[in-house]
This record gives sequence, structure tokens and C-alpha cells, in this order.
Amino acid sequence: DQQVKQNSPSLSVQEGRISILNCDYTNSMFDYFLWYKKYPAEGPTFLISISSIKDKNEDGRFTVFLNKSAKHLSLHIVPSQPGDSAVYFCAAPYGNNRLAFGKGNQVVVIP
Amino acid sequence: NAGVTQTPKFRILKIGQSMTLQCTQDMNHNYMYWYRQDPGMGLKLIYYSVGAGITDKGEVPNGYNVSRSTTEDFPLRLELAAPSQTSVYFCASSSFGIQETQYFGPGTRLLVL
Repeated sequence: DQQVKQNSPSLSVQEGRISILNCDYTNSMFDYFLWYKKYPAEGPTFLISISSIKDKNEDGRFTVFLNKSAKHLSLHIVPSQPGDSAVYFCAAPYGNNRLAFGKGNQVVVIP
Repeated sequence: NAGVTQTPKFRILKIGQSMTLQCTQDMNHNYMYWYRQDPGMGLKLIYYSVGAGITDKGEVPNGYNVSRSTTEDFPLRLELAAPSQTSVYFCASSSFGIQETQYFGPGTRLLVL
């Protein structure tokens, strides 16, 4: 039973345009969310996080928006660059040192 | 500063064989984790450790064992390999716990035939 859901598994976007990745969660107790980025044959790397006391967090080209009432968050990448081509995972901590991960979204940025 | 290293990168096992996946971190992190990622799925926690000598089960611990005798090392043991254990295994570490940034190793791809 997935607590964190990422639909639309792949996204293709032109270089310079916006990439929007969506993530929905079912557990209303979640109060912190993270996005990880993963290149092929590498481990995930931390990208950006947001606490439930905020509805937006920005770091350079990356912005995460949180809508608690809808149990929805999104990651915006503006402008998209070829180096952003990767798989992006949404995750939320819960319980004893556990992270609930979504299945990931593949982003392909076309030069 | 190597971060988190994992060996081997790739391994093929026969059903019933055993092996140890190695994980070492040089960041003096207290917390270490083992995850598995099946194709098209998110990562699932197998075991974690909050410090040397302390380990606990995650979501999918069956078929695996761990030990943490030092801060740096956190090996994962598969005793009787089964095809269901075919997966990519990631080791990770963090300073203080689950809300801190986790640093992941490059992964070990395991195929059980």
C-alpha cells in the first residue's frame, strides 16, 4: 500500500522550459518531505525538502510546493537543463527511521 | 572524502547461495541504512542502524541480516538467496536520523538465478 504516489512516470521537456513533477501522499501525519534525484548507475542524491509548516521552498532553479489540504506536493524545475535528466523521487519520513518513497518520475530534458 | 562506498557493483548468485554486500562510509555518520529498489518501484528499507552495535528492522527485513561493529561499516548478509531478492541494493548514511539528508552509495545490482 503506497503512502507516497508519483503518477506520470516519465516527462519530456524542452531545455529552458519548466518541468513539473507531482507527488501525492495518503498519510496525513507526514510533516516533512524530501525530493531525491537519481542518475543511472548512481545512488540517489538529496535535492530539496519542505516542512509542513511551509507551503513553498525554493533553492535556485528548484521549487517545491506543498498543499496540505490536498495532500499534494510538486517540484518545479525552471529553467530545465539537460543535466536535469534523471529520475526524481518524492519521499516522506515516518515511524521508526523510515522513508516512504514514491516510484519516481523520469525526466528527459531535450536540448 | 569518498562518502558512501559499496562493493561489489554487480553480482550473480545461484538460488541458495549466500553473500555479503559491503558498505562503508567515511563521514562519521551515526545512522546507516540498507534499501532495495525493485524495477519501477521506490526504495524500501531493509535494515537500519543508529550507531555501532545497534540495528533494527525496516519494512522488508526477511531473508537478510546486518551487523554494525564499527561506525564506518554496515554489511548486509543474504543467507539463502532467492529470485525475489533480485534487486538493486543501496546503502545510505546520515548524521542524526531520518529527516537529515541521507547520502547514498552507488548501489549493488544483484541477480539471483
